[in-house]
Amino acid sequence: IAGITQAPTSQILAAGRRMTLRCTQDMRHNAMYWYRQDLGLGLRLIHYSNTAGTTGKGEVPDGYSVSRANTDDFPLTLASAVPSQTSVYFCASSPGQGDTGELFFGEGSRLTVL
Amino acid sequence: GQSLEQPSEVTAVEGAIVQINCTYQTSGFYGLSWYQQHDGGAPTFLSYNGLDGLEETGRFSSFLSRSDSYGYLLLQELQMKDSASYFCAVRPLWKDYKLSFGAGTTVTVRA
Repeated sequence: IAGITQAPTSQILAAGRRMTLRCTQDMRHNAMYWYRQDLGLGLRLIHYSNTAGTTGKGEVPDGYSVSRANTDDFPLTLASAVPSQTSVYFCASSPGQGDTGELFFGEGSRLTVL
Repeated sequence: GQSLEQPSEVTAVEGAIVQINCTYQTSGFYGLSWYQQHDGGAPTFLSYNGLDGLEETGRFSSFLSRSDSYGYLLLQELQMKDSASYFCAVRPLWKDYKLSFGAGTTVTVRA
C-alpha cells in the first residue's frame, strides 16, 4: 500500500525556474493538501482541495498554484522559484475534509532554491 | 485567528513520563490533534480530541480543556524510539476548517 507518493524527493533549483512537485494518492481520499515545513515554524498550509475540480488557498499561497484534475493527483507548481521557497514540502490527504483531525502525509519533497 | 504554543524542546530518560503542553488562542475550533514526526519524515497522526477530556491510546494520552484553552500529549514509559518531534494542530471554525499546526516540540529520550 503506497498511500501518498511525492516526487521528487529532493531538488536543487535555480531562482526564476519553474518547478512542479508531484503528489499522488491511492486511498481515494476526497481532500488533499500541500504544506511547507520550515525550521521553527511548523507546518503551514499552502493550498488545499476538498474534492476533485476544486481548490482553495491556505495560509501561505503566494507564489504557488495547484490543480486537481482527478481524485488521485494534486501537483504543486512554483511558477518562478525564489530562495524564500526553499523548504520541505509535504502533501497530505484525508477521507473527508479532516473531520477527525487525521491527515495522511507523504514523505516530503526537499526543495532548495539558489 | 489562531496561535498555538508548545515548548520547543524536552529531554527525558527512558521509562520516564513526558507531558507536552499546547496552549492556543483561537476564536473557535473543532478539535485538537497530535502528530509525530521522526527525523523530518512524514508526520503521522497520533490522536484527536473533539471533546474535552482524556483520550488514551496505548502509552500515549491526549487531553483537551476548552475552558482553559489548553491541551497536552502525555508520553508514558518513554522509549528511545519516541525521540521525535510532536506537533499539536487545531481545526479552526474558520479558514475552511483546515488544520493549523504548532511549531512542534522536539523530544529527546536518553538512556
